[in-house]
Formats: sequence, structure tokens, C-alpha cells
Amino acid sequence: GQQVMQIPQYQHVQEGEDFTTYCNSSTTLSNIQWYKQRPGGHPVFLIQLVKSGEVKKQKRLTFQFGEAKKNSSLHITATQTTDVGTYFCAQTTSYDKVIFGPGTSLSVIP
Amino acid sequence: ETGVTQSPTHLIKTRGQQVTLRCSSQSGHNTVSWYQQALGQGPQFIFQYYREEENGRGNFPPRFSGLQFPNYSSELNVNALELDDSALYLCASSLEQGAIGELFFGEGSRLTVL
Repeated sequence: GQQVMQIPQYQHVQEGEDFTTYCNSSTTLSNIQWYKQRPGGHPVFLIQLVKSGEVKKQKRLTFQFGEAKKNSSLHITATQTTDVGTYFCAQTTSYDKVIFGPGTSLSVIP
Repeated sequence: ETGVTQSPTHLIKTRGQQVTLRCSSQSGHNTVSWYQQALGQGPQFIFQYYREEENGRGNFPPRFSGLQFPNYSSELNVNALELDDSALYLCASSLEQGAIGELFFGEGSRLTVL
């Protein structure tokens, strides 16, 4: 079935370094959502991208949707310990259900 | 917080038993989705309910079933529990059918099957 892949699976960074996670699909996506799940917590919605080539920023977070709508990225500038968690991209399927990728787990070393 | 509440938060069952998990959606949300999240993995879509009817199902066997009530609260039932059913079960509500907006997740019910 339709699914998105994410790389890397894990990322360890020194506090202050940048971080990027990538989400890739073999098929064209209608939209992409990003969620963050803190350790022991539940997924929390960050953003939804709909348009080809769309770029959205939330403070230190920058989200991009590829021109072909087959990939997306989340970039965090100058990571902080509060950024620790797993970042999931999620796609909307042809039958309007939200399907999650496997996630990228971010560790930030103080 | 999200306004989505789940109960119980933790429970332990033995193989072969049955379990019912409950979810109260955010006010005004008529769509609820259930997800299973095994340790270290992404949430796996189980099914979605819209206005009391199942509206889409993931790759889960029939022993996973659900209900949505007129007040849009929901239940997930799992029969004949297996060890692999041990996971965090997440309920998510949304404003309308179709993922045109965000999912609001509850804290989850952590099920351990022994």
C-alpha cells in the first residue's frame, strides 16, 4: 500500500547544531503532515503542507514540500534539548486517512 | 491539551482475553481514528469512524473492532489477545471526515499482553 519512508531513522546532534529529516514517497502526495512525539507522549500536530514547493516556518523549524509532491523535509536550526523526540511525517491516503511514516528519532546532547 | 481523553491509561491482560479501550473526542469532532503504536515504531492506522460508521480500515484482523456513539465517543475492542497486541493504542479525533486538518491525539492506552 501507500507509505512514506523517512530518513534518517535516528539522529544524535550536539545542542546548537542543525537537524534535518526527510520524508519520501514513490507516489504523488495530496498533502503531508508533520507530527512530533516526545518520549512517553503522544503525537502532536506541527503543520500541514498542501501546495507544490510550499515552504512554511515556525520559529526554528522550516518545513518544505517538494515540487513534485513526492517528498518533504523538516529542518530545525540550532537545536535545543526541547526538540528531543520523534518526528513523523504523515500522508493522507486516497481514502482520506492519515498514515504515518516510521519517524526520525532526534536526540540532543547538551 | 487536545481535549481527547482515553481510558484506561495502562492495563495488563493475558493472552486470549478481550479488552475494551475508550476514547472521548474533542468537542465538535465527529471523526475518530484509532492507531496502534508498537515500541519504537510509527502509529499504525487501525480504523476510522465517522458519524457512528466505520469508514476505512487498515491492515488489522476482524478481532479488532470498534464503535462510535452518538456523542462521538468511541471504543476499540480487541478479542483473543495475542502477545503482539502489546502496544500503545492512540485515539485521534478530527473535525471532519478526511484529513483536511490536524489530528488531535489522546494520551493513549498502554496495553501489555502476557
